[in-house]
Amino acid sequence: GAVVSQHPSRVICKSGTSVKIECRSLDFQATTMFWYRQFPKQSLMLMATSNEGSKATYEQGVEKDKFLINHASLTLSTLTVTSAHPEDSSFYICSASAIQGGAGEQFFGPGTRLTVL
Amino acid sequence: QKEVEQNSGPLSVPEGAIASLNCTYSDRGSQSFFWYRQYSGKSPELIMSIYSNGDKEDGRFTAQLNKASQYVSLLIRDSQPSDSATYLCAVSGGGADGLTFGKGTHLIIQP
Repeated sequence: GAVVSQHPSRVICKSGTSVKIECRSLDFQATTMFWYRQFPKQSLMLMATSNEGSKATYEQGVEKDKFLINHASLTLSTLTVTSAHPEDSSFYICSASAIQGGAGEQFFGPGTRLTVL
Repeated sequence: QKEVEQNSGPLSVPEGAIASLNCTYSDRGSQSFFWYRQYSGKSPELIMSIYSNGDKEDGRFTAQLNKASQYVSLLIRDSQPSDSATYLCAVSGGGADGLTFGKGTHLIIQP
């Protein structure tokens, strides 16, 4: 149980284009989904928290107009990187939590490696 | 700002021995504590969660939490070469809070 999928697993795009990443909880309903990114040799950094049907909460320093998050259902959240630039190249990983309140174990998707040329 | 500190390693342990990984955190209000394993190029995999002071055992893994010292540890008994990975300590305020990760400890199990 607690399987999270992400699509695509890898994407290469040109500078200035937009890229959408999907995150799905396959066998549970995720009340909350999270988006992280990980630069080489660094740890995961939380970008934003999204709850189904409400606006995402962004961490300090993360531009909400650049990283658009939509959490349309209890099993799907999307992250759109708008007007991508080479410095946005990173490993983007979503996670999902099945517990509303409580301890909040998070289960991670396999990640999306974005390369912006 | 919340911080989670880990020794980056590498920590080299002979096969069959006990690997001991440590983590300290800065936010006294933290409620939930996790250990994740991450292989190179892959996403983190949950190993253990712990929420109250003391020890929690699951198979070859034991997590230890000391909130007064703001310290979390992970012991891996009978270490196997397949345990070689980066181990990430993560902390949250509980509930729907996001995780604050340490930079991870690179563990190498020598056959």
